Amino acid sequence: ETGVTQSPTHLIKTRGQQVTLRCSSQSGHNTVSWYQQALGQGPQFIFQYYREEENGRGNFPPRFSGLQFPNYSSELNVNALELDDSALYLCASSLQGVNTEAFFGQGTRLTVV
Amino acid sequence: SQKIEQNSEALNIQEGKTATLTCNYTNYSPAYLQWYRQDPGRGPVFLLLIRENEKEKRKERLKVTFDTTLKQSLFHITASQPADSATYLCALDMIAGGYQKVTFGTGTKLQVIP
Repeated sequence: ETGVTQSPTHLIKTRGQQVTLRCSSQSGHNTVSWYQQALGQGPQFIFQYYREEENGRGNFPPRFSGLQFPNYSSELNVNALELDDSALYLCASSLQGVNTEAFFGQGTRLTVV
Repeated sequence: SQKIEQNSEALNIQEGKTATLTCNYTNYSPAYLQWYRQDPGRGPVFLLLIRENEKEKRKERLKVTFDTTLKQSLFHITASQPADSATYLCALDMIAGGYQKVTFGTGTKLQVIP
């Protein structure tokens, strides 16, 4: 086990709704990254947070937003859900500036209907 | 933008043989290149990291090479076992302007046949 936990594990939402996914990072890690993984594809980088600030962003629209808290846990918020948002959402924690080995959670499977 | 190519077709290999997986990239050489293993319905698990100034890295039965001239990394599993069957992902880690961006390939599915 990596020590990174995500909740919920599965979620079904209706198109147009909003969703919040949560991630508790591994103890001592100050960096959290979020990824979207569609079936049969590699994870796509959404954004990264370091010490509560966004530290990098992939090609995702602004309706994908995030937060990192003082205890380094994190949330991913997606507004105005679309059918194509259905995917496995992965959170990974790491220690910025030492190496970039990332420890992934088990993911949240989001289905938009 | 950075593009990564991994063998999209599954790789089937006999138990005991060496599996070799390929990761090719375009554009900029990354600061780091990583290999992960992913089992169905699970998050990726880190295996090895190699830096741009390193040619080769080993860990037990695993070996990674990194050729910045060819823009290619090779991932080898020696004495392969059925338990090695999984999807293997390569990931490029770029740092520019203090920002980090990680790009994953689509992965190669390895099947080790007993």
